[in-house]
Amino acid sequence: EAAVTQSPRNKVTVTGGNVTLSCRQTNSHNYMYWYRQDTGHGLRLIHYSYGAGNLQIGDVPDGYKATRTTQEDFFLLLELASPSQTSLYFCASSDGQHTEVFFGKGTRLTVV
Amino acid sequence: GDSVIQMQGQVTLSENDFLFINCTYSTTGYPTLFWYVQYSGEGPQLLLQVTTANNKGSSRGFEATYDKGTTSFHLQKTSVQEIDSAVYYCAMRGDSGYNKLTFGKGTVLLVSP
Repeated sequence: EAAVTQSPRNKVTVTGGNVTLSCRQTNSHNYMYWYRQDTGHGLRLIHYSYGAGNLQIGDVPDGYKATRTTQEDFFLLLELASPSQTSLYFCASSDGQHTEVFFGKGTRLTVV
Repeated sequence: GDSVIQMQGQVTLSENDFLFINCTYSTTGYPTLFWYVQYSGEGPQLLLQVTTANNKGSSRGFEATYDKGTTSFHLQKTSVQEIDSAVYYCAMRGDSGYNKLTFGKGTVLLVSP
């Protein structure tokens, strides 16, 4: 079973604050993704990557940066957090273009 | 771009009732369709994959069907149990590459004993 580990699991920050969400997968998967989950919107893709140093823009990228430092590690950065970014964030990974996508347990971010 | 519409926000059933959830999709290519399930406190996990080639999939008592004519796909279970209470998402992988998934808004299933 593929393992995707997110940290922290919960985070509270103030408006204008700087936040980094971390994700690590230990299955040498090529593809990694960041989604946000909101009631009434389902899961929406923020950024994704197909390898270290690669970054692709998803469907809702505004206000977010991401960086893939290694095959295992993918980070989501909020440099000026806003209350609209209060959400449940999921990291996911997959091995290739037609393989199962595995999700982490999520990070709940609250911006006050 | 790709889109998936899932209209049922919440479904409330009793044990042994019949479950039916449907989604419609829009894409320019040849999609692969999925159902994901999310239990409380967990991330989404794959429940079923439905390839357009064979039009049907089944797992854990759930069955998924696909209708190319109406670009819709459905999840059903003959007799739900309380442990099936969860959020169910339909999703689609289009032809754009990178194994990206587009999700519907999710259906909260509540099953009472």
